[in-house]
Amino acid sequence: EVQLLQSGGGLVQPGGSLRLSCAASGFNFSNYATAWVRQAPGKGLEWASHISASGRDTFYTDSVKGRFTIFRDNSKNTLYLQMNSLRAEDTALYYCAKSASSNYFDQWGHGTLVTVSS
Amino acid sequence: DIVMTQSPDSLAVSLGERATINCKSSQSLLYTFNKKNYLAWYQQKPGQPPKLLIYWASTRESGVPDRFSGSGSGTDFTLTISSLQAEDVAVYYCQQFYSNLPGTFGQGTKVEIK
Repeated sequence: EVQLLQSGGGLVQPGGSLRLSCAASGFNFSNYATAWVRQAPGKGLEWASHISASGRDTFYTDSVKGRFTIFRDNSKNTLYLQMNSLRAEDTALYYCAKSASSNYFDQWGHGTLVTVSS
Repeated sequence: DIVMTQSPDSLAVSLGERATINCKSSQSLLYTFNKKNYLAWYQQKPGQPPKLLIYWASTRESGVPDRFSGSGSGTDFTLTISSLQAEDVAVYYCQQFYSNLPGTFGQGTKVEIK
């Protein structure tokens, strides 16, 4: 069974940092691109960051460029999102998601809440 | 970026009736070399992550009931629930994956029981 088990998240002050993790199992993690998709409270889905299967290629939505870093450890089957200089507008439920044969998502983690507030 | 616009924002349908959700993209999602439309549909129930329903605009994901169907090509797409069930109450999103990242989502359509 495919599983994406998320951890990290929580309450942080503006300007603070957090690291999210997503541990994958049930599939060959190193063969698939993965992404972080976020959802602000009561809002829709936003593709925040993406990483290729090898980890060589990364993408960030404009609002997080220079502040967030996506990376993966294929030996540990784990995806990460390092979030620095957090802002109130980064408050959201963050989902890790597995890309399928193309850049649509066939598996999703349960989500982890990030709240940025003083 | 490609902009995805869904309509309506919400709809209420009686049990057993048809629900239709539209999704329009700001540019064509059809790749002529493989004749595939790079469009997916997701269902998100309250308190749950999104679930993939449809990809390549009309291919149903394994395990998805056949009352869900996707159609359309180019810039105009439709998700149809042929006979609405109580468990179909959710927000539905379309997503394009044609462009270089990001693969933008529509704003969502909330489906409720009338």
